[in-house]
Parts: sequence; structure tokens; C-alpha cells
Amino acid sequence: DADVTQTPRNRITKTGKRIMLECSQTKGHDRMYWYRQDPGLGLRLIYYSFDVKDINKGEISDGYSVSRQAQAKFSLSLESAIPNQTALYFCATRDRGSAGELFFGEGSRLTVL
Amino acid sequence: GEDVEQSLFLSVREGDSSVINCTYTDSSSTYLYWYKQEPGAGLQLLTYIFSNMDMKQDQRLTVLLNKKDKHLSLRIADTQTGDSAIYFCAESTNQAGTALIFGKGTTLSVSS
Repeated sequence: DADVTQTPRNRITKTGKRIMLECSQTKGHDRMYWYRQDPGLGLRLIYYSFDVKDINKGEISDGYSVSRQAQAKFSLSLESAIPNQTALYFCATRDRGSAGELFFGEGSRLTVL
Repeated sequence: GEDVEQSLFLSVREGDSSVINCTYTDSSSTYLYWYKQEPGAGLQLLTYIFSNMDMKQDQRLTVLLNKKDKHLSLRIADTQTGDSAIYFCAESTNQAGTALIFGKGTTLSVSS
């Protein structure tokens, strides 16, 4: 089983719908991150969390919200999806004491029509 | 702010060496990283280098760091078709919860 699991892997939705992408990890890491990948733009940070009570905005948080339900779970929500939120979304974790390696899930591809 | 730049495409023949270049802006970065993304998959760490090192070698991979010029490179020796992927350079930062700042990625295409 993957250490960082994202669900769903693929989702097609319509403009205005609420969407939740879920992430769970078995690595026991404190820090969790949501990134968005667009062709030619690389990865951009949406939100990050140090622990259940510590949630912070990243570079492109507008239109997104997150919830850290437990140390192992970090979900990303789009309250009212719009077409320019069509992208590949990655969850990642990081150990506090590590050299900074991020461990990525396999991604959730979201298409907003 | 922080920025990481890398060329978007590189095409090589099987057996040749590949060199992917990257420039970064945050001189306080402690670590610099190379990640590989294969089609349909997430990113996996290939290697990283501590900022007080000039070079790191790991089998077919050689990382060179020029701190003065803020330039990082990844050399893949004897490139194989299985090396075809997107390669991301990333720097650590003390901002944004110590998240990594990624370049846009270099697509490496290896032809046989």
C-alpha cells in the first residue's frame, strides 16, 4: 500500500459544485502539504499544515480550503469549483527532522467543466 | 521572492549523458533537490545535496552545486529510455512552513 494515499484519483465535475480531495498517510509525519500542478507551471503550494491545529495558506490558496482531521488526514476542498481549477493535485508529507524530503501521493486529477 | 528556473525540454539519445540545469534565488536554502515524475505518477526524490557541498554522486547521477552562481545541475550518465520523465529542481526555504519551491520541470525525452 502507498504511504500517501489520495482519493479520488480522477474526478470530473461541473462549475459551481463542491469537491473534496482527501489525503491520508501512514508515515507518521507531522507536516502535510497540498500542491497543484499545471503543465508548464510546475508545482504551486496551496495550503500546508504543521499539525491538527496549525493550518497555513500557501501561494495560491484563493478558492480552496483545507481540513486537518487528524495527524494522518488532510483534505482539500473546492467550495464552488471553476474551470481554471482543472489541474493535477498532489498531497505530500514531510518529517520534521528530515533533510526536507517530501513524500508525494500519486495525485488527483480534477476536471471542472 | 524565491524562484527556481529550469529549461523545459531536453532530448538525448540512449547511452548519451543528460545534463539538466537549474538556477535558484534563495541563498539561504539548506538543501536542494531533484525529483523525478514519471507519467501518471507522483514525484519521487532522486537525490538531494546539502548546501555546503559542491558535488554529490550516486551511481549514474551526479549533482553539481555552484552556490556563488546559485546554479544546480543533474547529470545522468548512460541515459536510458526508462529515464524519460519530468525532472524537477526544488529548493528548501524557511518560508511557507519549510515547503519546497519547485521549478517548472524539465521534460527529458530519450530516444533509442
